[in-house]
Amino acid sequence: ETGVTQSPTHLIKTRGQQVTLRCSSQSGHNTVSWYQQALGQGPQFIFQYYREEENGRGNFPPRFSGLQFPNYSSELNVNALELDDSALYLCASSLVDVGYTFGSGTRLTVV
Amino acid sequence: RKEVEQDPGPFNVPEGATVAFNCTYSNSASQSFFWYRQDCRKEPKLLMSVYSSGNEDGRFTAQLNRASQYISLLIRDSKLSDSATYLCVVNLMTTDSWGKLQFGAGTQVVVTP
Repeated sequence: ETGVTQSPTHLIKTRGQQVTLRCSSQSGHNTVSWYQQALGQGPQFIFQYYREEENGRGNFPPRFSGLQFPNYSSELNVNALELDDSALYLCASSLVDVGYTFGSGTRLTVV
Repeated sequence: RKEVEQDPGPFNVPEGATVAFNCTYSNSASQSFFWYRQDCRKEPKLLMSVYSSGNEDGRFTAQLNRASQYISLLIRDSKLSDSATYLCVVNLMTTDSWGKLQFGAGTQVVVTP
């Protein structure tokens, strides 16, 4: 059974650029959630995808968008990057409410 | 007011001692409760779910008080490897976002020799 994998592990972008982060969910898990964790804070819910459709969204602007593919892998896209977008981005997969497994995250730095 | 609040600590604990800390949550409709552990610059990992009747997993004991809306975690016989940030997590389990985990900012525990 493979876990949740995220890529890339680290990324440096310039303010105003766009970024795509990727997540492969744990085998059999049909739900993917994305979280943003700023330094010294707990993870904040961005959105969730269930069977390729967005199913819930946190308090993030529309420049944060996502996709889920038929194999349940997912992408998080952020447009017009701002300095405050610098954070650890975590992907979590789950099967209904049978626990949530987190990937090791992508550390994004916006300069 | 934050949805999930925790004492940030740090709790400095001698090896072998017991440490306990709480978190409070604001939404009485919350359905699922968890403790996650996060090591520095790593992803959160599930430590244990928290049930209304309270539950124990080895040296760890979790309690839920729905009336007062708090969750507790107790660690007995602390080990150096218990040093980490402990995240309190609540899930509303609403139909439109049942996967929305609400995290506290974490309680840092430092176990010293």
